[in-house]
Amino acid sequence: AQSVSQHNHHVILSEAASLELGCNYSYGGTVNLFWYVQYPGQHLQLLLKYFSGDPLVKGIKGFEAEFIKSKFSFNLRKPSVQWSDTAEYFCAVTNQGGKLIFGQGTELSVKP
Amino acid sequence: DTEVTQTPKHLVMGMTNKKSLKCEQHMGHRAMYWYKQKAKKPPELMFVYSYEKLSINESVPSRFSPECPNSSLLNLHLHALQPEDSALYLCASSQRLGPPSNTEAFFGQGTRLTVV
Repeated sequence: AQSVSQHNHHVILSEAASLELGCNYSYGGTVNLFWYVQYPGQHLQLLLKYFSGDPLVKGIKGFEAEFIKSKFSFNLRKPSVQWSDTAEYFCAVTNQGGKLIFGQGTELSVKP
Repeated sequence: DTEVTQTPKHLVMGMTNKKSLKCEQHMGHRAMYWYKQKAKKPPELMFVYSYEKLSINESVPSRFSPECPNSSLLNLHLHALQPEDSALYLCASSQRLGPPSNTEAFFGQGTRLTVV
C-alpha cells in the first residue's frame, strides 16, 4: 500500500540542538514532497516543498530538507532549534493520483 | 490573498441533526480537499474535488456528503453523525491536482466538530 512513514513519534531537544526528522514514502513515479508544521492550536502551515531540481530545498524559519530519490526519503533538518519550534511536523506526499497523504507526524518539544 | 476560510470554527451537533461545514478560497484554485483530523493524528483525506467535480472519495460514510457549488466554495453536509465523528475538519485548496502539476495545498483553520 502507498504510505508515508515518519520515523520519530516524539523528539525532545534542548535549544540550539540540531534537528533531523526522517520521512520515507512508498509511492512510485513522480511525487511532490512537503513538510507541514502545526503549532499548538493553529492550522497547518507549509514549511517547504520539493517538486523537481535541486534535491536540497530550503524553507521558512531556517528549515531545509533533502530529497534522496534512491532512498525514497525526504528528511527535514534544522541546524539549531528554538523553543518556538515546538510543534507537530508532518511529512506529506502527492502522487499522480492527486492524493495529498500525510505521515503520522512527529511531535517536537524544545526545552528552553 | 492566500487564505482558505472555514466556517464555523466550532460546531456542536446532536446525532439527529443536519449541519453543513463551509470552505471558501479566492486564490483561483481548482482543486479542493476535505480532511478529518483527530487529536495527535495526521489529517486523513476524505474527498478531493477537481474543477468542481468529485475526483476522490476515500470510502467515506454517506453521512458525510460533499458539495462543490462553484470553484471558490466547498461544503460538507453532515447528517446522522456518530460521536466518533468528532474531530477537526480541515479544508484545503491547491491550484490543480498534482503532480505533474507543481502545486502546494493551503489549509484552512478547520472546524472543530463535536457530536453529542
